[in-house]
Formats: sequence, structure tokens, C-alpha cells
Amino acid sequence: NAGVTQTPKFQVLKTGQSMTLQCAQDMNHNSMYWYRQDPGMGLRLIYYSASEGTTDKGEVPNGYNVSRLNKREFSLRLESAAPSQTSVYFCASSEQTGDYEQYFGPGTRLTVT
Amino acid sequence: DAKTTQPNSMESNEEEPVHLPCNHSTISGTDYIHWYRQLPSQGPEYVIHGLTSNVNNRMASLAIAEDRKSSTLILHRATLRDAAVYYCILARMDSSYKLIFGSGTRLLVRP
Repeated sequence: NAGVTQTPKFQVLKTGQSMTLQCAQDMNHNSMYWYRQDPGMGLRLIYYSASEGTTDKGEVPNGYNVSRLNKREFSLRLESAAPSQTSVYFCASSEQTGDYEQYFGPGTRLTVT
Repeated sequence: DAKTTQPNSMESNEEEPVHLPCNHSTISGTDYIHWYRQLPSQGPEYVIHGLTSNVNNRMASLAIAEDRKSSTLILHRATLRDAAVYYCILARMDSSYKLIFGSGTRLLVRP
């Protein structure tokens, strides 16, 4: 039982390049989330998916798109990366949205130059 | 979204209890109080949560003030592995239930 896995662990992009961050969970959870964490700060919610087939914006959605590919997988896409998107990205999942514990992945450290 | 206020940092000695305070004076009746912690270079980890009553689990205890405007996370015997950033978070029980992280309290545990 791997929990929440994320790929890649590290990535360096040039401004304007695109990439997709992958996230998968093996806990049969309905809800999945993408957060970003800037240095010395708490996490901020980018997008979430309450259930398969639905996605909603969080606090900081601009510059990102998401896809809930199936129940297990939730990807985050940067279409045209900017230096302001340099951050650590965390994926999380929970049984449902609401009063349920969220399980976090190990993170992807992204640098945009 | 309701905000929480936590001290930037706290220190504790190993094997002593730790009380981490959190103020949330604008809490509403449907806000749950969650605590997560983040060890260095890892994703956050759930610690405990509650609504009105005090809560206990294997990791910690959560003491909630009667007026719910503050709460305290209690680690009964701190270990070196408890050194982390602890986040107190309010999550509203509506259709957009979200965890809004603040900057947290950095706990240093001295051997």
C-alpha cells in the first residue's frame, strides 16, 4: 500500500515550458487535491476533485489546469510555466471531502528559471 | 475563510509535554478544527481534529475552549521525531470544505 505517490520528485523548467505533474493514490479515495507550498509558507490549495469526474478551483488556480483521469489519478498541468510557479507541489487524497483526514504525497519540487 | 493565529516557534525538552496554542476568534459553528504537522522535506501528516469536545488519539490530544475561540494541541511526551511545523486549520463543513493552511508553529525538541 503505497498511499499517495507523485512524479517526478524534482523538475527544472524554463519560462514558457509546459509540464504535467502526476499523482496517484491506492486507497480507493474519492477526493483528491493539489497544493503548492512556497518557502516558509503554509500550503495553498490549487484545485481539488471531490469525486471522479468533478474538479473545482481552490485558492490559487490561475496558471494551472487539472484532470481527474480516473478514481486513482489526478494530474496538474502547467501550460506555460512562470518563475512565480517555483514551489513544492503536494498532492493529497481523502475518503470524501468534508470531515476526513487528508493523506499527502511526498511532493514535487519545481523550479522555473 | 476563518483565520487561525499560532506562535511562530516553540521549544520543548524531550520526554516533556508540549502545549501548542491556536487562536481562532472568528470560528463559525460549522468549522472543524484540524491539526496537521509537516516534518522536514515531507508532506503534511494528519494529527487530530475536533468540533466541540476534547479529542484524544494515539498521537495527541486536542483541547477546545468552551467558546471554541481557541484550542491547544497537546503532545504528551515529546520525542525528537516530533520536531516539525504544526498547522492549526479551520475547515468549514460545507460543499467547499477546504483546508486553509497558515504559517504554523515550528516545534524544536531539545534532547
